[in-house]
Amino acid sequence: GESVGLHLPTLSVQEGDNSIINCAYSNSASDYFIWYKQESGKGPQFIIDIRSNMDKRQGQRVTVLLNKTVKHLSLQIAATQPGDSAVYFCAEREEYGNKLVFGAGTILRVKS
Amino acid sequence: EPEVTQTPSHQVTQMGQEVILRCVPISNHLYFYWYRQILGQKVEFLVSFYNNEISEKSEIFDDQFSVERPDGSNFTLKIRSTKLEDSAMYFCASTRGVTGEQFFGPGTRLTVL
Repeated sequence: GESVGLHLPTLSVQEGDNSIINCAYSNSASDYFIWYKQESGKGPQFIIDIRSNMDKRQGQRVTVLLNKTVKHLSLQIAATQPGDSAVYFCAEREEYGNKLVFGAGTILRVKS
Repeated sequence: EPEVTQTPSHQVTQMGQEVILRCVPISNHLYFYWYRQILGQKVEFLVSFYNNEISEKSEIFDDQFSVERPDGSNFTLKIRSTKLEDSAMYFCASTRGVTGEQFFGPGTRLTVL
């Protein structure tokens, strides 16, 4: 029979506001974390990454925060724009591995 | 800017048929991957490939799946006898080094009827 997809959490923000998307990871051996953006019908697109020896990294309009104590990762998007509307996935990788393990994803909707 | 390409964009097949999904990784990349994403769900790792060998595979990647780099540019995923539950988006990715950023292709939507 048909499989039913997971209900992804949705974050709705007003254009111009800041967005914070959260992700919990489970593998203590993960040492590299990435945020990907996925627009409808497209593949994941790299946004920003962070290694486990850092707790914060900034890019253009985006900041990733890593809290290894509680295994939590967040993505902050400043001055959110309609073009930021997409599904956002966090992914993790172990120190000596190369496969990515993706989180469940969060839908970001930007209202104009 | 170099990018990963995949063909076809959409493949429809009957259950039990063989399908081959094709990918052209970025030209100077050495590590290649296949992931799949069932509709509405998260992206799942299938297999990684380096130096003409599988370096890691997931539980999903059973005997029905195989990968090949038939020439210097293509990287293929073959499903020997498709099942209904193989319906998904299949993404190819590549990296230059083992720990580099993974660049994803646009995906192939596989529909098994």
